[in-house]
Amino acid sequence: GENVGLHLPTLSVQEGDNSIINCAYSNSASDYFIWYKQESGKGPQFIIDIRSNMDKRQGQRVTVLLNKTVKHLSLQIAATQPGDSAVYFCAETVESGYSTLTFGKGTMLLVSP
Amino acid sequence: NAGVTQTPKFQVLKTGQSMTLQCAQDMNHNSMYWYRQDPGMGLRLIYYSASEGTTDKGEVPNGYNVSRLNKREFSLRLESAAPSQTSVYFCASSPRRGSSYNEQFFGPGTRLTVL
Repeated sequence: GENVGLHLPTLSVQEGDNSIINCAYSNSASDYFIWYKQESGKGPQFIIDIRSNMDKRQGQRVTVLLNKTVKHLSLQIAATQPGDSAVYFCAETVESGYSTLTFGKGTMLLVSP
Repeated sequence: NAGVTQTPKFQVLKTGQSMTLQCAQDMNHNSMYWYRQDPGMGLRLIYYSASEGTTDKGEVPNGYNVSRLNKREFSLRLESAAPSQTSVYFCASSPRRGSSYNEQFFGPGTRLTVL
Protein backbone atom coordinates (compact mmCIF):
# COMPACT_ATOMS: atom_id res chain seq x y z
CA GLY A 1 0.00 0.00 0.00
CA GLU A 2 0.98 3.65 -0.24
CA ASN A 3 2.10 3.84 3.39
CA VAL A 4 3.70 0.41 3.69
CA GLY A 5 7.11 2.09 3.84
CA LEU A 6 6.54 3.87 7.14
CA HIS A 7 9.10 2.84 9.78
CA LEU A 8 10.94 0.55 7.37
CA PRO A 9 14.71 0.36 7.02
CA THR A 10 15.65 2.26 3.90
CA LEU A 11 18.51 1.77 1.47
CA SER A 12 19.27 4.70 -0.84
CA VAL A 13 21.48 4.12 -3.87
CA GLN A 14 22.42 5.84 -7.10
CA GLU A 15 21.32 4.47 -10.45
CA GLY A 16 23.92 2.01 -11.71
CA ASP A 17 25.16 1.02 -8.26
CA ASN A 18 24.83 -2.50 -6.95
CA SER A 19 22.34 -2.90 -4.06
CA ILE A 20 22.42 -5.41 -1.24
CA ILE A 21 19.32 -5.97 0.86
CA ASN A 22 19.65 -8.12 3.97
CA CYS A 23 17.21 -10.29 5.86
CA ALA A 24 17.57 -12.25 9.08
CA TYR A 25 15.13 -15.12 9.30
CA SER A 26 13.81 -16.61 12.48
CA ASN A 27 13.18 -20.36 12.09
CA SER A 28 16.22 -22.61 11.89
CA ALA A 29 13.98 -25.32 10.39
CA SER A 30 13.04 -23.14 7.39
CA ASP A 31 14.28 -24.64 4.15
CA TYR A 32 12.68 -22.54 1.44
CA PHE A 33 13.05 -18.80 1.02
CA ILE A 34 11.56 -16.24 -1.34
CA TRP A 35 12.24 -12.59 -2.10
CA TYR A 36 9.29 -10.41 -3.08
CA LYS A 37 9.21 -6.88 -4.50
CA GLN A 38 6.31 -4.56 -3.70
CA GLU A 39 5.86 -1.35 -5.65
CA SER A 40 3.74 1.44 -4.23
CA GLY A 41 0.04 0.63 -4.41
CA LYS A 42 0.55 -2.91 -5.68
CA GLY A 43 0.69 -6.43 -4.33
CA PRO A 44 4.00 -8.24 -3.74
CA GLN A 45 5.64 -9.78 -6.79
CA PHE A 46 7.94 -12.82 -6.80
CA ILE A 47 11.60 -12.09 -7.61
CA ILE A 48 13.64 -15.19 -6.80
CA ASP A 49 13.65 -18.18 -4.49
CA ILE A 50 16.23 -20.50 -2.96
CA ARG A 51 16.15 -23.81 -1.15
CA SER A 52 18.36 -24.66 1.79
CA ASN A 53 20.47 -27.14 -0.19
CA MET A 54 21.93 -24.15 -2.04
CA ASP A 55 23.84 -21.12 -0.78
CA LYS A 56 23.57 -19.00 -3.92
CA ARG A 57 21.13 -18.61 -6.76
CA GLN A 58 21.24 -16.17 -9.66
CA GLY A 59 18.51 -14.65 -11.75
CA GLN A 60 18.43 -11.78 -14.17
CA ARG A 61 20.36 -8.96 -12.41
CA VAL A 62 19.54 -10.50 -9.02
CA THR A 63 21.41 -12.93 -6.79
CA VAL A 64 20.22 -14.43 -3.53
CA LEU A 65 22.74 -15.65 -0.94
CA LEU A 66 21.79 -17.92 1.93
CA ASN A 67 23.86 -18.40 5.08
CA LYS A 68 22.13 -21.04 7.18
CA THR A 69 24.73 -20.86 9.94
CA VAL A 70 23.68 -17.36 10.92
CA LYS A 71 20.14 -17.54 9.46
CA HIS A 72 20.77 -14.75 6.97
CA LEU A 73 19.58 -14.03 3.45
CA SER A 74 20.67 -11.31 1.12
CA LEU A 75 19.37 -10.03 -2.19
CA GLN A 76 21.88 -8.44 -4.51
CA ILE A 77 20.64 -6.29 -7.38
CA ALA A 78 23.19 -5.44 -10.05
CA ALA A 79 23.17 -2.11 -11.87
CA THR A 80 20.21 -0.81 -9.90
CA GLN A 81 17.63 1.14 -11.90
CA PRO A 82 14.97 3.67 -10.83
CA GLY A 83 12.36 0.99 -11.60
CA ASP A 84 13.87 -1.12 -8.82
CA SER A 85 12.61 1.37 -6.23
CA ALA A 86 10.20 -0.60 -4.06
CA VAL A 87 9.87 -2.42 -0.75
CA TYR A 88 11.59 -5.80 -0.69
CA PHE A 89 10.44 -8.64 1.56
CA CYS A 90 12.05 -11.94 2.37
CA ALA A 91 9.80 -14.85 3.29
CA GLU A 92 10.61 -18.24 4.81
CA THR A 93 8.82 -21.55 5.17
CA VAL A 94 9.35 -25.21 5.99
CA GLU A 95 8.57 -26.91 2.72
CA SER A 96 7.42 -30.30 4.05
CA GLY A 97 3.89 -30.74 5.30
CA TYR A 98 1.80 -27.63 4.93
CA SER A 99 3.69 -24.73 6.38
CA THR A 100 2.77 -21.20 5.46
CA LEU A 101 5.05 -18.33 4.50
CA THR A 102 6.38 -16.02 7.20
CA PHE A 103 7.30 -12.60 5.87
CA GLY A 104 9.97 -10.24 7.12
CA LYS A 105 9.13 -6.61 7.76
CA GLY A 106 10.70 -5.36 4.54
CA THR A 107 13.34 -2.91 3.34
CA MET A 108 12.60 0.10 1.19
CA LEU A 109 15.00 0.61 -1.72
CA LEU A 110 15.20 4.14 -3.15
CA VAL A 111 17.11 4.59 -6.40
CA SER A 112 18.14 8.09 -7.48
CA PRO A 113 18.71 8.85 -11.17
CA ASN B 1 -5.71 -14.42 -17.69
CA ALA B 2 -6.32 -11.84 -14.93
CA GLY B 3 -4.39 -13.69 -12.18
CA VAL B 4 -5.70 -12.76 -8.72
CA THR B 5 -8.45 -10.14 -8.56
CA GLN B 6 -9.83 -8.41 -5.47
CA THR B 7 -12.89 -6.27 -4.90
CA PRO B 8 -13.38 -3.63 -3.75
CA LYS B 9 -10.14 -1.66 -4.17
CA PHE B 10 -11.06 0.85 -1.45
CA GLN B 11 -13.61 0.77 1.36
CA VAL B 12 -14.49 3.00 4.30
CA LEU B 13 -16.56 1.50 7.11
CA LYS B 14 -17.92 2.74 10.39
CA THR B 15 -17.14 0.82 13.56
CA GLY B 16 -19.55 -2.10 13.88
CA GLN B 17 -20.40 -2.39 10.20
CA SER B 18 -19.83 -5.64 8.36
CA MET B 19 -18.43 -6.32 4.94
CA THR B 20 -17.01 -9.06 2.75
CA LEU B 21 -13.83 -8.78 0.72
CA GLN B 22 -13.91 -10.82 -2.45
CA CYS B 23 -11.01 -12.63 -4.08
CA ALA B 24 -10.89 -14.74 -7.22
CA GLN B 25 -8.10 -16.45 -9.15
CA ASP B 26 -8.21 -17.87 -12.66
CA MET B 27 -4.98 -19.90 -12.52
CA ASN B 28 -6.59 -23.13 -11.25
CA HIS B 29 -4.57 -22.87 -8.05
CA ASN B 30 -5.28 -25.16 -5.11
CA SER B 31 -4.32 -22.86 -2.23
CA MET B 32 -5.53 -19.37 -1.37
CA TYR B 33 -4.56 -16.93 1.38
CA TRP B 34 -5.64 -13.71 3.05
CA TYR B 35 -3.04 -11.34 4.50
CA ARG B 36 -3.16 -7.94 6.11
CA GLN B 37 -0.38 -5.40 5.77
CA ASP B 38 0.19 -2.61 8.27
CA PRO B 39 2.97 0.01 8.20
CA GLY B 40 6.23 -1.47 9.42
CA MET B 41 4.63 -4.89 10.06
CA GLY B 42 5.14 -6.76 6.82
CA LEU B 43 2.45 -9.20 5.72
CA ARG B 44 0.60 -11.21 8.34
CA LEU B 45 -1.49 -14.24 7.47
CA ILE B 46 -5.14 -14.07 8.54
CA TYR B 47 -6.59 -17.29 7.10
CA TYR B 48 -5.71 -19.70 4.36
CA SER B 49 -7.31 -22.49 2.39
CA ALA B 50 -4.96 -25.31 1.44
CA SER B 51 -7.52 -26.76 -0.95
CA GLU B 52 -11.17 -26.38 -1.88
CA GLY B 53 -13.30 -27.25 1.12
CA THR B 54 -10.70 -26.52 3.81
CA THR B 55 -9.80 -23.37 5.72
CA ASP B 56 -7.33 -22.77 8.56
CA LYS B 57 -6.38 -19.92 10.85
CA GLY B 58 -3.21 -18.00 10.29
CA GLU B 59 -1.32 -15.66 12.60
CA VAL B 60 -4.06 -13.02 13.14
CA PRO B 61 -7.52 -14.60 12.61
CA ASN B 62 -9.49 -12.81 15.35
CA GLY B 63 -12.34 -10.66 14.03
CA TYR B 64 -12.42 -12.38 10.62
CA ASN B 65 -14.15 -15.28 8.94
CA VAL B 66 -13.50 -16.83 5.55
CA SER B 67 -15.32 -18.91 2.97
CA ARG B 68 -13.74 -20.96 0.20
CA LEU B 69 -16.74 -20.75 -2.09
CA ASN B 70 -15.21 -22.92 -4.81
CA LYS B 71 -11.75 -23.49 -6.24
CA ARG B 72 -11.64 -19.97 -7.71
CA GLU B 73 -13.05 -17.84 -4.91
CA PHE B 74 -11.99 -17.13 -1.33
CA SER B 75 -13.80 -14.40 0.61
CA LEU B 76 -12.90 -12.63 3.86
CA ARG B 77 -15.65 -11.32 6.12
CA LEU B 78 -15.49 -8.73 8.87
CA GLU B 79 -18.62 -9.22 10.99
CA SER B 80 -18.21 -6.12 13.17
CA ALA B 81 -15.45 -3.86 11.93
CA ALA B 82 -13.11 -2.18 14.41
CA PRO B 83 -10.57 0.65 13.86
CA SER B 84 -7.78 -1.88 14.52
CA GLN B 85 -8.81 -3.59 11.29
CA THR B 86 -7.82 -0.56 9.22
CA SER B 87 -5.24 -2.05 6.91
CA VAL B 88 -4.43 -3.14 3.38
CA TYR B 89 -5.71 -6.64 2.68
CA PHE B 90 -4.07 -8.92 0.13
CA CYS B 91 -5.35 -12.14 -1.29
CA ALA B 92 -2.88 -14.63 -2.75
CA SER B 93 -2.98 -18.04 -4.41
CA SER B 94 -0.48 -20.79 -5.14
CA PRO B 95 -0.56 -24.04 -7.11
CA ARG B 96 0.69 -25.92 -4.01
CA ARG B 97 0.34 -29.66 -4.31
CA GLY B 98 1.53 -32.05 -1.62
CA SER B 99 4.74 -31.04 0.10
CA SER B 100 6.28 -29.10 -2.75
CA TYR B 101 6.06 -25.41 -2.15
CA ASN B 102 5.17 -23.01 -4.93
CA GLU B 103 5.35 -19.25 -5.01
CA GLN B 104 2.30 -17.23 -4.06
CA PHE B 105 0.72 -14.83 -6.55
CA PHE B 106 -0.80 -11.71 -5.02
CA GLY B 107 -3.79 -9.57 -5.91
CA PRO B 108 -3.66 -5.74 -6.00
CA GLY B 109 -5.04 -5.29 -2.48
CA THR B 110 -8.07 -3.74 -0.77
CA ARG B 111 -7.46 -0.60 1.26
CA LEU B 112 -9.86 -0.62 4.20
CA THR B 113 -10.41 2.23 6.64
CA VAL B 114 -12.60 1.75 9.72
CA LEU B 115 -13.69 4.98 11.39
